[in-house]
Amino acid sequence: GAGVSQSPSNKVTEKGKDVELRCDPISGHTALYWYRQRLGQGLEFLIYFQGNSAPDKSGLPSDRFSAERTGESVSTLTIQRTQQEDSAVYLCASSLRSAGELFFGEGSRLTVL
Amino acid sequence: GIQVEQSPPDLILQEGANSTLRCNFSDSVNNLQWFHQNPWGQLINLFYIPSGTKQNGRLSATTVATERYSLLYISSSQTTDSGVYFCAVISGSARQLTFGSGTQLTVLP
Repeated sequence: GAGVSQSPSNKVTEKGKDVELRCDPISGHTALYWYRQRLGQGLEFLIYFQGNSAPDKSGLPSDRFSAERTGESVSTLTIQRTQQEDSAVYLCASSLRSAGELFFGEGSRLTVL
Repeated sequence: GIQVEQSPPDLILQEGANSTLRCNFSDSVNNLQWFHQNPWGQLINLFYIPSGTKQNGRLSATTVATERYSLLYISSSQTTDSGVYFCAVISGSARQLTFGSGTQLTVLP
């Protein structure tokens, strides 16, 4: 596609429920990143995928967070047993190559009640 | 890990004024990007500039890698320039961008 596409754009859920967020990277981009941005804050790195290599999960805040990506296609970020502190905008980015220029999607805004 | 510091944290300008935003980083970098986050939250790529100077319309950027800083210049500012400007870098063996805390720019009509 023309840009990084994320869905849903907005998600409201109740505490304790599981949520799935989806990212469709720019076609041909081998690297894919997930970041989190809490209200009024900067961007926190969560996880990085590069081709078929093992992902870099060093930024995931707890074992309730997981992500998958098949090859160089769509990625899903799953948050289990959501907590109020998970409320944030989750941003996905892709780049043509590892450590290259990143392009971000418009984000998925998650609100946990 | 690498530290990224941006200054000033907040900046208020009158429309038409010029400004300079600064980004200092603590180690050598492979990638440096400037982004504008508009009031709707969208991150817009401004420059990919690990070294050298680039210009795009009213905006220009310079990175002096040997002295570990980058500058973003905004000339003849417009109200649509308002938002948060982020500097982000990739250093060493890392593959992800590390972001600074941003500069909140408000341009008044």
